[in-house]
Amino acid sequence: IAGITQAPTSQILAAGRRMTLRCTQDMRHNAMYWYRQDLGLGLRLIHYSNTAGTTGKGEVPDGYSVSRANTDDFPLTLASAVPSQTSVYFCASSDGPNYGYTFGSGTRLTVV
Amino acid sequence: QKEVEQNSGPLSVPEGAIASLNCTYSDRVSQSFFWYRQYSGKSPELIMSIYSNGDKEDGRFTAQLNKASQYVSLLIRDSQPSDSATYLCAVYILTGGGNKLTFGTGTQLKVEL
Repeated sequence: IAGITQAPTSQILAAGRRMTLRCTQDMRHNAMYWYRQDLGLGLRLIHYSNTAGTTGKGEVPDGYSVSRANTDDFPLTLASAVPSQTSVYFCASSDGPNYGYTFGSGTRLTVV
Repeated sequence: QKEVEQNSGPLSVPEGAIASLNCTYSDRVSQSFFWYRQYSGKSPELIMSIYSNGDKEDGRFTAQLNKASQYVSLLIRDSQPSDSATYLCAVYILTGGGNKLTFGTGTQLKVEL
């Protein structure tokens, strides 16, 4: 089934540890995005990639990094996790401005 | 002013009624508009897109767009308990990194028996 796969589904992480959230899509979409969703704050863009080999910063990029080595994969890394990074993380992809975004099922991350 | 604004709700409607969800946006040049439905604990799901002024109907859902007033709405006819969810309005807005889909914080809809 075509779509976006995120892993892990959930994770409890000790503060200060490094963590990579994985995102893979099989729709050959050029653009990919990472959002975090927090109660009352909605979806906030962390990083994006318009095409393989390029990345950009979104609204809340501090403490996060991304890479886009190929079209399908867009991992998000927390170099040294802090409790304020406790959130639900969604990866999304898009085939262009007329098609909206397709979202993965999300990763629930708790930093303790 | 937020780029995309929605009333957070909750909006409560009785089963069978029409639910009306509203959204305003700040960028006058926006051309593409979307409504997403998000059930609790799930990811957002695209349910409607609209690009031209007027109404667009898909089953029980109707999206309405008024670019002059910078206003987009979603009507749900014959509301069902299964429609209870948070509805996110999303608008493509030109940013320094190109067009990005900007989301409102969502309106929680409760359909009551």
